[in-house]
Amino acid sequence: DTGVSQDPRHKITKRGQNVTFRCDPISEHNRLYWYRQTLGQGPEFLTYFQNEAQLEKSRLLSDRFSAERPKGSFSTLEIQRTEQGDSAMYLCASSSNLNYEQYFGPGTRLTVT
Amino acid sequence: KQEVTQIPAALSVPEGENLVLNCSFTDSAIYNLQWFRQDPGKGLTSLLLIQSSQREQTSGRLNASLDKSSGRSTLYIAASQPGDSATYLCAVRPQGGDKVIFGPGTSLSVIP
Repeated sequence: DTGVSQDPRHKITKRGQNVTFRCDPISEHNRLYWYRQTLGQGPEFLTYFQNEAQLEKSRLLSDRFSAERPKGSFSTLEIQRTEQGDSAMYLCASSSNLNYEQYFGPGTRLTVT
Repeated sequence: KQEVTQIPAALSVPEGENLVLNCSFTDSAIYNLQWFRQDPGKGLTSLLLIQSSQREQTSGRLNASLDKSSGRSTLYIAASQPGDSATYLCAVRPQGGDKVIFGPGTSLSVIP
């Protein structure tokens, strides 16, 4: 297993457009997390899945954001009607129930122009 | 509400020095604490995970300690090298929850 992967690595979009990011977790991990990170800050929790169930969402996740994990494997994060304030690094992590150690992907850097 | 802070925000040391990075959290009801390294523009790499019942963990030149009662963790780096230059982040998982809270990080620069 090569670890957590994310696609795309970079995305530049115009304000008002929709974007979708994908995360593929480590295969045996049942927990998957999305975070947002802006320059000079630590990652901020957005949402979390256990298998296909979305169990917690941050208040940061406005109505324009939606995340899915339909088969309990990969996950997608969609942002509708992007705003300049959405520009950030979007990070995905996965963990197992063994010790909850989180493993992160390389992130998707979103730039909204 | 759990808050995590890290001091100092930035640190510059000459190669070969031993150094300590600090992480503080306000709510001692934690499940575990994890230290990460992040290189510029990259994702996070897990360094050490300390369960709430543990006092310390070691990996190579790294040693992390946890004092739950005082809400503190330290990351000790021995014999620092220029390749250790990165941002170091600590993250706390609460008991009975999955919303992991990160500190803002300490930016470390090791000068050759």
